Amino acid sequence: DAKTTQPTSMDCAEGRAANLPCNHSTISGNEYVYWYRQIHSQGPQYIIHGLKNNETNEMASLIITEDRKSSTLILPHATLRDTAVYYCIVRPYFNKFYFGSGTKLNVKP
Amino acid sequence: GAVVSQHPSRVICKSGTSVKIECRSLDFQATTMFWYRQFPKQSLMLMATSNEGSKATYEQGVEKDKFLINHASLTLSTLTVTSAHPEDSSFYICSATSGQGEMSYNEQFFGPGTRLTVL
Repeated sequence: DAKTTQPTSMDCAEGRAANLPCNHSTISGNEYVYWYRQIHSQGPQYIIHGLKNNETNEMASLIITEDRKSSTLILPHATLRDTAVYYCIVRPYFNKFYFGSGTKLNVKP
Repeated sequence: GAVVSQHPSRVICKSGTSVKIECRSLDFQATTMFWYRQFPKQSLMLMATSNEGSKATYEQGVEKDKFLINHASLTLSTLTVTSAHPEDSSFYICSATSGQGEMSYNEQFFGPGTRLTVL
């Protein structure tokens, strides 16, 4: 039931910003955009979520386009420990999580 | 943040045996827990939703008699893989939420996962 499209993989240099795109062109008005990441052989870790406005926390920033059909997760200063699979999930506030295929981010020295 | 643990972290069993995996919320009461499975190089697949004190609801295609789920308390849910076979080998992950009613699907906290290998 995944409603998102993400690139399979991306590379980023250590210390640079990592910009991970997500396409959700069929998003509904009551659906939020969530980002989780999964480091190898661990459970997913919550990063950030938003509805319409851009959001920022200690981990990342979430930029949602005005038409809400796409979003970008920004890790401002990527480190080697940020190497993981990043999942963009679209869902109503009160609903289950269905994971798509995600983006494998490789942070390189 | 809220902590969810799983036990065991790894388990190896013989074909035909049953295996129980525990999921615990350590510092909050989890009214709803979710179980996922993940095959190598694939994404997480939701298996079932477990509500404290009631029967679990399973996603389409998941055999409820194969994967028994019990959520007997507000801090513990168990997944039992019955008569396990090699094709059941997978990474099993639980998540928990402290919300009630409509809030029960919000703010999910994930466990570290359990690696099951069936020989």
